[in-house]
Amino acid sequence: SAVISQKPSRDICQRGTSLTIQCQVDSQVTMMFWYRQQPGQSLTLIATANQGSEATYESGFVIDKFPISRPNLTFSTLTVSNMSPEDSSIYLCSAARDSYEQFFGPGTRLTVL
Amino acid sequence: AQSVTQLDSQVPVFEEAPVELRCNYSSSVSVYLFWYVQYPNQGLQLLLKYLSGSTLVKGINGFEAEFNKSQTSFHLRKPSVHISDTAEYFCAASSSGGSYIPTFGRGTSLIVHP
Repeated sequence: SAVISQKPSRDICQRGTSLTIQCQVDSQVTMMFWYRQQPGQSLTLIATANQGSEATYESGFVIDKFPISRPNLTFSTLTVSNMSPEDSSIYLCSAARDSYEQFFGPGTRLTVL
Repeated sequence: AQSVTQLDSQVPVFEEAPVELRCNYSSSVSVYLFWYVQYPNQGLQLLLKYLSGSTLVKGINGFEAEFNKSQTSFHLRKPSVHISDTAEYFCAASSSGGSYIPTFGRGTSLIVHP
């Protein structure tokens, strides 16, 4: 298994500002992902964070809005840029090794005013 | 890509009663299936997974699920629920030979009443 921590756990931000969320895994993993979970809804994959290269974004998500870094095999960041109230959501980091099983962080609860 | 359907958005049940949470996936040659639980204000935790082998999979906290290929289902069951089982449950599926990325269902809210 893998233990994943996220910072911050929650934040309240003003529209137009940016927030960077950090994700730390306690051991090396093959893949890391960022999801968004809007209130009462399922998980939507934002992007796959690739170590040493640009992230792979899903349809509807762009790098200018959600820049992602992954400098090594245990750490990644997601920035939510130029925020609006529609960005209010839970942002989840996850990681996977070889078994198709994903391990999830506790999430970052973002409220944009 | 897989699609996952959780037919019930909410399942209320009394404590110590049995429960079944339904999940259907789109047909595929070979599929990996998962159930995750999300307790209030927490991330997702893996309950159980089916990769291959026995179609009856046992997980943590007394949960089990059965893979039914002919009905493309992977329903989650527990014979006697506890108040602490109140949570959101997500079914997920990915195609073997594909990426690591599963498709998640919309979730089922299990509400256990005393």
